[in-house]
Amino acid sequence: EPEVTQTPSHQVTQMGQEVILRCVPISNHLYFYWYRQILGQKVEFLVSFYNNEISEKSEIFDDQFSVERPDGSNFTLKIRSTKLEDSAMYFCASKRGLLLEKQETQYFGPGTRLLVL
Amino acid sequence: QKEVEQDPGPLSVPEGAIVSLNCTYSNSAFQYFMWYRQYSRKGPELLMYTYSSGNKEDGRFTAQVDKSSKYISLFIRDSQPSDSATYLCAMSDRIQGAQKLVFGQGTRLTINP
Repeated sequence: EPEVTQTPSHQVTQMGQEVILRCVPISNHLYFYWYRQILGQKVEFLVSFYNNEISEKSEIFDDQFSVERPDGSNFTLKIRSTKLEDSAMYFCASKRGLLLEKQETQYFGPGTRLLVL
Repeated sequence: QKEVEQDPGPLSVPEGAIVSLNCTYSNSAFQYFMWYRQYSRKGPELLMYTYSSGNKEDGRFTAQVDKSSKYISLFIRDSQPSDSATYLCAMSDRIQGAQKLVFGQGTRLTINP
């Protein structure tokens, strides 16, 4: 069964450094998302992306964050200057989105654990 | 008031028991409800989804939505040790398009052999 993949599984970085988290969504999916989960807290929405542009973003997704779909398969989240509070598990998700029941469901990747020191 | 509230547990039951997991929500615009299962240090895995009030059954799992009470439940029958995980409720105010999912805190469930 197709699945969302994410790399790297773990990333350790120094405060102020740039990081790029990578995702390969399920191949025929049209909608892409990033969520994050700080240890012990809820999964929180960051951004949704459709038709090569951001559809919606949360208050968390400030100017330090950006997303890109550089080619037909990858979807990336860039954090320009990391802060300690960016330490979290980052999940990529994708959805087929063809107005049929199950196709409106988001499928999540295994996550990238980001630690900012 | 938080948009979605879910008792974080932990909840520990013997194998074979019926498990009831619940979430309440405050946003009456929510119309799409999901349950995800999350094993330790893994991504959420979709278990069930529903759009409407009432029950939806899938094997040992039953999802129940009561929109009038803003209350959703997940029942697990004949629980197995492999069901031990964190269960997340999630909801959205739209079925189609670029949905934003709002999650509950997650309930940590342990099924004891």
